[in-house]
Amino acid sequence: AQSVTQPDIHITVSEGASLELRCNYSYGATPYLFWYVQSPGQGLQLLLKYFSGDTLVQGIKGFEAEFKRSQSSFNLRKPSVHWSDAAEYFCAVAPYSSASKIIFGSGTRLSIRP
Amino acid sequence: ETGVTQSPTHLIKTRGQQVTLRCSSQSGHNTVSWYQQALGQGPQFIFQYYREEENGRGNFPPRFSGLQFPNYSSELNVNALELDDSALYLCASSFAGDNEQFFGPGTRLTVL
Repeated sequence: AQSVTQPDIHITVSEGASLELRCNYSYGATPYLFWYVQSPGQGLQLLLKYFSGDTLVQGIKGFEAEFKRSQSSFNLRKPSVHWSDAAEYFCAVAPYSSASKIIFGSGTRLSIRP
Repeated sequence: ETGVTQSPTHLIKTRGQQVTLRCSSQSGHNTVSWYQQALGQGPQFIFQYYREEENGRGNFPPRFSGLQFPNYSSELNVNALELDDSALYLCASSFAGDNEQFFGPGTRLTVL
C-alpha cells in the first residue's frame, strides 16, 4: 500500500537558520511527489512537485527538495528560514496514473524562534 | 481568475444529521477532489469527480457521497453524521490530465 511518513511531528528552528524536513514514501514505482504548506485556517498551497528528471527540484518561497530513489525519500530544504515560514508542512505522493488522488503524510509543524 | 471557493466556512451539526458542503472549482478546471483532514492529521482522499461521475474513491463509507454539476462545481454529502466526522473538509480542483491541484480554504465541520 502507498504511504508517506513524516517522522518529525514538530520542529523549531531559529530565524535565518537552515531547515530540512524529512519525508519517506512507500510505493511500488516512482510516484508523483509533492510538498504542500498549510498556514493556520488556510487551505493547502503547493510548494513544489517531482515527477521525473532532475532529482533536485526548486519550488516557491525559496524551498527545494531532493528525490532519492535509493532511500525512498523526498526531503524539503530551505537555506534560511523566515518567521513567515511557520506553518504545517505536508509531504504527499500520488500514483503515476492519477496525480489527483493524493496521499498525504501526517505533517510536520514548523515553529520559528526569533 | 477565481480560485477554489468553499461554503460554508464553519458548520455545527449533531450526530445522525445530514450535511452538504459545496465547492466551486477554479475557472477552467473540470476535476474536483474532496479530502477530509482530522485535527492534527494530513488530509485523506475521499473521492474525485470528473465529468459529473465519480472517478476514484478512498476508504470512506457510502454515507459519504458527492455530486458534480455541469459547471464543474461540486457537493459533498455526509449522511448519518458521527462524532468522528468532525474535521476540515478540503476541496481541490484541477484540469484532467494535469498534475497540480488547487485547494480551497476548507469547511470546518463540528459534529456534537
